[in-house]
Amino acid sequence: GAGVSQSPSNKVTEKGKDVELRCDPISGHTALYWYRQSLGQGLEFLIYFQGNSAPDKSGLPSDRFSAERTGGSVSTLTIQRTQQEDSAVYLCASSPDRARLWNTEAFFGQGTRLTVV
Amino acid sequence: DAKTTQPNSMESNEEEPVHLPCNHSTISGTDYIHWYRQLPSQGPEYVIHGLTSNVNNRMASLAIAEDRKSSTLILHRATLRDAAVYYCISLRQGAQKLVFGQGTRLTINP
Repeated sequence: GAGVSQSPSNKVTEKGKDVELRCDPISGHTALYWYRQSLGQGLEFLIYFQGNSAPDKSGLPSDRFSAERTGGSVSTLTIQRTQQEDSAVYLCASSPDRARLWNTEAFFGQGTRLTVV
Repeated sequence: DAKTTQPNSMESNEEEPVHLPCNHSTISGTDYIHWYRQLPSQGPEYVIHGLTSNVNNRMASLAIAEDRKSSTLILHRATLRDAAVYYCISLRQGAQKLVFGQGTRLTINP
């Protein structure tokens, strides 16, 4: 596909269960970002990857949240022991590897809507 | 990155131009001005960006004040599909993430 792909598009889970959210960035994009957007709220930065390393994890809200990226491509955001306040849309974005974010564009996926019941 | 200030909401009519303002009075010489928009139930999408000169692309125009303390995103002929939240973001060279504020919710009336 030509764009950033996220799966699943919707996920309903029970409180206390672990969930994994997947992001397939645009091929060749080395920068990858995770954001979350709670209902009616703004976009909250979670973590940034350059290649497989994460220079900025400052937005992860607690140690229940973790993310990894393998092969400089697919990324997985894992939430352990989910809580109701984790309910939100989780968005992934990627940006080209030969340009810098400040002088290029980021491409966002459609997001995964997570509902914790 | 400089702080940006935008009106919470704006309203316009279909087929009319829309001017969305953004104030960034603390901007530095190496801060780029970016605009993204988020259509309902979708992820954000890039609109345009610039440093000093006015910029045009197929989606919009970006007019940057001479002192760079403000800018205006111009949609030349609004359609219903342009109804979205528009985010103005200041990005310093070396910045590694987009920081979104609350944006401007644009409503387009038929």
